[in-house]
Amino acid sequence: AQSVSQHNHHVILSEAASLELGCNYSYGGTVNLFWYVQYPGQHLQLLLKYFSGDPLVKGIKGFEAEFIKSKFSFNLRKPSVQWSDTAEYFCAVNSGGYNKLIFGAGTRLAVHP
Amino acid sequence: GAVVSQHPSWVICKSGTSVKIECRSLDFQATTMFWYRQFPKQSLMLMATSNEGSKATYEQGVEKDKFLINHASLTLSTLTVTSAHPEDSSFYICSGRGRTDYEQYFGPGTRLTVT
Repeated sequence: AQSVSQHNHHVILSEAASLELGCNYSYGGTVNLFWYVQYPGQHLQLLLKYFSGDPLVKGIKGFEAEFIKSKFSFNLRKPSVQWSDTAEYFCAVNSGGYNKLIFGAGTRLAVHP
Repeated sequence: GAVVSQHPSWVICKSGTSVKIECRSLDFQATTMFWYRQFPKQSLMLMATSNEGSKATYEQGVEKDKFLINHASLTLSTLTVTSAHPEDSSFYICSGRGRTDYEQYFGPGTRLTVT
């Protein structure tokens, strides 16, 4: 069965620090990969997605993620975080096409001014 | 992006009663809708997938007679929690996906508290 692992459950950073959140998945076939963000009290929003092509994907709000197929990873990065990035971040994967999404456990990011 | 709404956003009910939650796609036709459950500080767990006009497909461990899902139109799906118990208290989130779209669009969620 597919699974998604997010290694960092809770991350605390100061403003302007760099961010990298880990995401690994277990599935050997074609995958679509997603990062979602959930700001306090708000619904899930898509940050970025990877379907095919360039493994370095740029999303909204300065976020990017790199798909490394050999490592089954899709880590999320941002070079300089802001207080407004405080939120919970979820990595998700589906096995290509229109299949269901499998979510990781989420990483709660707190950015201190 | 496409917009999905849920109603109500928060509901409190007594144990043994039933509660209906609506999920609507406002500006697109959601041929497939998904229902998730999110416990505090945990991830989203898929409960069921429904295609318009068809019976829902439930994930393993989800009681289909307890969580009734109806997807009668391309813009509306409902989740009815029947004979609710305190352990059903949770945050329920729906999402919709269009016919030719890989992406799911999420609703704001409904917080259910069963007393």
